[in-house]
Amino acid sequence: EAGVTQSPTHLIKTRGQQVTLRCSPISGHTSVYWYQQALGLGLQFLLWYDEGEERNRGNFPPRFSGRQFPNYSSELNVNALELEDSALYLCASSLAGGPHNEQFFGPGTRLTVL
Amino acid sequence: QKEVEQNSGPLSVPEGAIASLNCTYSDRVSQSFFWYRQYSGKSPELIMSIYSNGDKEDGRFTAQLNKASQYVSLLIRDSQPSDSATYLCAVNPTGTASKLTFGTGTRLQVTL
Repeated sequence: EAGVTQSPTHLIKTRGQQVTLRCSPISGHTSVYWYQQALGLGLQFLLWYDEGEERNRGNFPPRFSGRQFPNYSSELNVNALELEDSALYLCASSLAGGPHNEQFFGPGTRLTVL
Repeated sequence: QKEVEQNSGPLSVPEGAIASLNCTYSDRVSQSFFWYRQYSGKSPELIMSIYSNGDKEDGRFTAQLNKASQYVSLLIRDSQPSDSATYLCAVNPTGTASKLTFGTGTRLQVTL
């Protein structure tokens, strides 16, 4: 069974630019989560999508946004990039959005902002 | 107080020994708990999940949960050099369904 996939693997942008990251969940999973892992910091929750709707949002500014498509894949968009946005962006998926669901991570997209 | 706390380590154990990793959480009514392993430069890999008080065993791994003490631990028996990684504790806090709150991780080094 294929795992969570993410693209691109690496990305280099400059301040002020915009970026779109993509994620495909495990087949059968309807929930997609985005996390940010900045160097030396823990994983921070960004967004949760389920059945095409945004269900929860972490403490990030509005320039972080996303969407989920009918096939349950998802995009994360970051506008007006800042240096501190440099991080590993991780997508995870789960079968359902309940409190006991297990989340499985993709390989991540490493974003560098210069 | 951090929501999920872990000792950053490194925790150094000899090959074949038992590694004990600990995690405390602040939200008393948290319901589900997860241990992830993360190799340097890689994404987290789910090792164990535990929801009820007591022990849960899976191969060389045992997760222990004590909700009264707000404490969850991971034991790795017969530690191998390939177990050297950062171990992340994650908690699903009540009222924020499905978001996970992570500790900053404990780095484990298994020495030959």
